Amino acid sequence: AQKVTQAQTEISVVEKEDVTLDCVYETRDTTYYLFWYKQPPSGELVFLIRRNSFDEQNEISGRYSWNFQKSTSSFNFTITASQVVDSAVYFCALSVRSKLSFGAGTTVTVRA
Amino acid sequence: GAGVSQSPRYKVAKRGQDVALRCDPISGHVSLFWYQQALGQGPEFLTYFQNEAQLDKSGLPSDRFFAERPEGSVSTLKIQRTQQEDSAVYLCASSRTGTRGETQYFGPGTRLLVL
Repeated sequence: AQKVTQAQTEISVVEKEDVTLDCVYETRDTTYYLFWYKQPPSGELVFLIRRNSFDEQNEISGRYSWNFQKSTSSFNFTITASQVVDSAVYFCALSVRSKLSFGAGTTVTVRA
Repeated sequence: GAGVSQSPRYKVAKRGQDVALRCDPISGHVSLFWYQQALGQGPEFLTYFQNEAQLDKSGLPSDRFFAERPEGSVSTLKIQRTQQEDSAVYLCASSRTGTRGETQYFGPGTRLLVL
């Protein structure tokens, strides 16, 4: 069985601060995929990033970056120089076959 | 191009009524997924189609839930004899080929309230 844990329930920051979201996953499969999605107040889940289990290279895409460490089963996500529009619920998700297993989400509030 | 669309966006039902929720995937997407999201929680998988074939329905909570995709495009999730615990947001997602681990793109969801 797959499991995703997002220990942080809520994070509140002031605009321009960096925000790091933690994600820990569990799976017995050696091939898997990890995702981050954003859910703004409108409710639609917006895809942000995807990594596969064979690629631990950490990258930066605009203000987003991620830290994937198989040794600790973690897939953390950072928003640099946060903006008010970043306020949303962020979900980490794991895919082994086709379906996604989601964490409980972290609510990020960015104050002006 | 157009994203995933769902209708209705909101549905209020009296306990015991049947409801039907519609999903239009991104044009040409082979795979379609249904998820249920309770308030304050992450989405939970319900069922999955590849074209018209329902390949996984392990997440459907009871036999009151039924999904179909007869022509491999539009899908309908039907809930019979709705109960209060069915109140949730129902999300639909599609992916291009259904390849393992492929990115899924989500619609805006249908918010169901059962009174």
